[in-house]
Amino acid sequence: RKEVEQDPGPFNVPEGATVAFNCTYSNSASQSFFWYRQDCRKEPKLLMSVYSSGNEDGRFTAQLNRASQYISLLIRDSKLSDSATYLCVVNGPAAGNKLTFGGGTRVLVKP
Amino acid sequence: GAVVSQHPSWVICKSGTSVKIECRSLDFQATTMFWYRQFPKQSLMLMATSNEGSKATYEQGVEKDKFLINHASLTLSTLTVTSAHPEDSSFYICSARVNRGRTDTQYFGPGTRLTVL
Repeated sequence: RKEVEQDPGPFNVPEGATVAFNCTYSNSASQSFFWYRQDCRKEPKLLMSVYSSGNEDGRFTAQLNRASQYISLLIRDSKLSDSATYLCVVNGPAAGNKLTFGGGTRVLVKP
Repeated sequence: GAVVSQHPSWVICKSGTSVKIECRSLDFQATTMFWYRQFPKQSLMLMATSNEGSKATYEQGVEKDKFLINHASLTLSTLTVTSAHPEDSSFYICSARVNRGRTDTQYFGPGTRLTVL
């Protein structure tokens, strides 16, 4: 089983719609969680950290469910520029405080 | 966010040659940097952790004699792919760890696309 698993997609989303997807992680000792965004042939860029209480940044909402070991990302009012691959990233002492990346979920927003 | 640069952004070389990639933190000091590799349609795979002033820590399956890492200062880490072969062609990305408030965050360089002919 992979340490961090994501649905690869693609999620085809009409412009203006809402899309949500999850990521599961296997290590219950994981402490920090992030969503990164990666555009084609570019480096990953931090989208947001994910806190236990859940957090929102504009149109993006992230949730953490420790009991079920998953995190989620919801994008409201999708823009064409939201088309990208979203990487779920987990960090924890068991991994030597190194980041472990999921395979990414591809989102395509269409007019 | 913090700024991390990489040089070169792309390189094409002949099989058997060595290629050096630089990773710099431009507006902060990084005691720890990381080197990743990403093959097409795959996620980032950590190759090694680069620690300033000490030896790098390599992930399982990564040959330390083939991928030489030097972290000589708090703002510079280098990765040298020695005797490169076509199977080494990949997207190499470095990152630097920064402590920002509640958690450590990693910022990534723009990546180096290596093509070995």
